[in-house]
Amino acid sequence: DVKVTQSSRYLVKRTGEKVFLECVQDMDHENMFWYRQDPGLGLRLIYFSYDVKMKEKGDIPEGYSVSREKKERFSLILESASTNQTSMYLCATQLPSKRAEQFFGPGTRLTVL
Amino acid sequence: DQQVKQNSPSLSVQEGRISILNCDYTNSMFDYFLWYKKYPAEGPTFLISISSIKDKNEDGRFTVFLNKSAKHLSLHIVPSQPGDSAVYFCAASVHTDKLIFGTGTRLQVFP
Repeated sequence: DVKVTQSSRYLVKRTGEKVFLECVQDMDHENMFWYRQDPGLGLRLIYFSYDVKMKEKGDIPEGYSVSREKKERFSLILESASTNQTSMYLCATQLPSKRAEQFFGPGTRLTVL
Repeated sequence: DQQVKQNSPSLSVQEGRISILNCDYTNSMFDYFLWYKKYPAEGPTFLISISSIKDKNEDGRFTVFLNKSAKHLSLHIVPSQPGDSAVYFCAASVHTDKLIFGTGTRLQVFP
């Protein structure tokens, strides 16, 4: 069974703070993704990584950065949190096959005040 | 520009009846489609998929239909059960691992 864990289920931060969201997987998957889910907008891809130290921008990378120093860990960083980054953040992993499903973590509900 | 659209934000169905969730897409290059189910406070879980070379794929109570000419995808759940109450997302990809998700449809199955 694939296990994808996210560091926090709920997080409250203040505007301007630096925020780290961590995602860890135990299945040796090369591909990892960060999404945000907002009502009426579905899941939108922020960043993804195909391997250690590799990253690519998704559809909405502005205001975010990522880090992948180890294969099992993919971090999402909000350099200076803003209220419009209040959202549900979801991490996913995937084997590098174009037909492979993505496995999601439980999500982090981030509120920026 | 929303390439994958789920025009019904919610659907309510009686237990035992059929649930039909719809999804439309605009990119004719999409070659693989998936459905995910999401319960509150959990991440989405994979449900069923279909390649663009097929027009139907079935897995137990779940069947996905693909109409390429209409750029339309649908998920049928028969019979619907209360445990099926969740948000359903369709997703599509173009020869890559990246998925484009729809906006989701909340299904409620009542007794």
